[in-house]
Amino acid sequence: KQEVTQIPAALSVPEGENLVLNCSFTDSAIYNLQWFRQDPGKGLTSLLLIQSSQREQTSGRLNASLDKSSGRSTLYIAASQPGDSATYLCAAMGYSSASKIIFGSGTRLSIRP
Amino acid sequence: GAVVSQHPSWVICKSGTSVKIECRSLDFQATTMFWYRQFPKQSLMLMATSNEGSKATYEQGVEKDKFLINHASLTLSTLTVTSAHPEDSSFYICSASPGQGFDSPLHFGNGTRLTVT
Repeated sequence: KQEVTQIPAALSVPEGENLVLNCSFTDSAIYNLQWFRQDPGKGLTSLLLIQSSQREQTSGRLNASLDKSSGRSTLYIAASQPGDSATYLCAAMGYSSASKIIFGSGTRLSIRP
Repeated sequence: GAVVSQHPSWVICKSGTSVKIECRSLDFQATTMFWYRQFPKQSLMLMATSNEGSKATYEQGVEKDKFLINHASLTLSTLTVTSAHPEDSSFYICSASPGQGFDSPLHFGNGTRLTVT
């Protein structure tokens, strides 16, 4: 059974710092891994999708890496801004016919001005 | 592109009544949509997979008679919480993918906050 863990649960850093959010998964047989952002009381916004054959994806100040062998993914945020404050969720999608997607519990990020 | 619209954004209902939540893909067709439930400060829990033209696939522990899912068209799925009780109060979110085989990112609605009094 796939389990997805995100550490830390909460993170507060001053504006301008580069930071890394961690995501680990127990079953390396994933179809893809996706990072999302969730603002309070809102739905999820897709940030980056990494297919199982890929090692990383980049979008603007965001870079996500995937290491299936170690069961880890990281989300790197460069030059953080107060507007980056949100909860960041990673989700692993498996190969089952139901295409089950398992979410981590998220990291609540707060960027201090 | 790839916008998923969810309605209503919040609803308050009395215990024992039923509530319908709609999930629409506005600019793409989705043969499969997903319904999730999220408790405060917790992650999303997949409730069911909604398949256009066929019965939904429910996750273990989710009551199919309580959470009725209908996927009437390629752009609309509905979740009906029947005979709602206070413990059903939660944040419900739907998602859909515009691609085939889930190679495309999942896109989410903005969620529905259900409060049962």
